[in-house]
Amino acid sequence: RKEVEQDPGPFNVPEGATVAFNCTYSNSASQSFFWYRQDCRKEPKLLMSVYSSGNEDGRFTAQLNRASQYISLLIRDSKLSDSATYLCVVTPGGPGYSSASKIIFGSGTRLSIRP
Amino acid sequence: EAQVTQNPRYLITVTGKKLTVTCSQNMNHEYMSWYRQDPGLGLRQIYYSMNVEVTDKGDVPEGYKVSRKEKRNFPLILESPSPNQTSLYFCASSFNSPPNTGELFFGEGSRLTVL
Repeated sequence: RKEVEQDPGPFNVPEGATVAFNCTYSNSASQSFFWYRQDCRKEPKLLMSVYSSGNEDGRFTAQLNRASQYISLLIRDSKLSDSATYLCVVTPGGPGYSSASKIIFGSGTRLSIRP
Repeated sequence: EAQVTQNPRYLITVTGKKLTVTCSQNMNHEYMSWYRQDPGLGLRQIYYSMNVEVTDKGDVPEGYKVSRKEKRNFPLILESPSPNQTSLYFCASSFNSPPNTGELFFGEGSRLTVL
């Protein structure tokens, strides 16, 4: 089983729709969680951190569910410019991991917004 | 402008011909890391460095070397490239070391083809 798993998609939704996708992680001692966005053939860029209490940034909402070991990203009122691949990023912890120096990326979920 | 700079951006080479991909950051970041990105596998960490003269293996270090003689530079060396090292490579840096709470800044990527 992969340490971080994402539905690869693609999710193809109309402009203005609300879309949500999850990312599951296997290490229950994982410490930090992030969503990165990657445009085609470009470098990943931080979209938002995911806090235990959940957090919102404009149209984007991120949630963490430690009991079920997943994080989610919700995009409301989607725009054409939201078309990208969204990468889930987890910093594992617990025995065998030294100082959270390891960072694990999911394979990404591809989102395509159509007019 | 704060940035991570990689060179070359594109390279086609032949099996066995040593090559170096340079990475430089101008943000005085302590943590630097190299990733390779392959379809369906996501970003996989090759090597990382917590500070000058401190480097450690990531998930896929075989066939690669790194050095961190200066804080700003973290070159990736392929002593004898093979076709399975054909990939898109990203260098990243972070102010925090370890980077578990901070943002990773990525270079624009280096697309390497080994024939």
